[in-house]
Amino acid sequence: EIVLTQSPTTMAASPGEKVTLTCRASSSVSYMHWYQQRSGASPKLWIYETSKLASGVPNRFSGSGSGTSYSLTINSMETEDAATYYCQQGSSYPVTFGSGTKLEIK
Amino acid sequence: EVQLVESGGGLVQPGRSLKLSCAASGFTFSNYYMAWVRQAPKKGLEWVATISTSGSRTYYPDSVKGRFTISRDNAKSSLYLQMNSLKSEDTATYYCARRLDWFAYWGQGTLVTVSS
Repeated sequence: EIVLTQSPTTMAASPGEKVTLTCRASSSVSYMHWYQQRSGASPKLWIYETSKLASGVPNRFSGSGSGTSYSLTINSMETEDAATYYCQQGSSYPVTFGSGTKLEIK
Repeated sequence: EVQLVESGGGLVQPGRSLKLSCAASGFTFSNYYMAWVRQAPKKGLEWVATISTSGSRTYYPDSVKGRFTISRDNAKSSLYLQMNSLKSEDTATYYCARRLDWFAYWGQGTLVTVSS
């Protein structure tokens, strides 16, 4: 099983601040996918195939990485970006998710 | 517009069974793999099952293998999850999702509580 480790677990950022969330895989994966989940809501696909933004995702978001190390970056934090972000790999079964990064607004 | 609507959740005693349903609309259901993902209260996401387009192939993690069965009815654009021998650790919100390598669309979820 491929274990995904996200860091940090929790963080707070000020409006306008640049934010980077990381996801490390225990073995190499082909792609990483990211989801945003706001409190009380269902998860939403946010970034797929490492760097492609899902429909409606603002372009202040970006994704990068390869092999075992991936990241999600917000160029300039906005209030609406406060949420929990999960990474996910589908390269091999079982499909696994990271434990999430809770991003709060400062 | 893609819509996935889950139903069938509720309170069930340990060891009993429950069947969840997911009604899909807004896309050609038979063209897509489908999946169930769950989230225990205040916890992260856990993949539960995936089914191929025809239903001939199914995939499960060890945590539910042998207890849960995913199925589909393409004529009804519906996805199902039969859950047997339920345990307290199966308590979660269960989401239906359209699957590629990623989960592109999610339903609103249905809460399953396993408790005596």
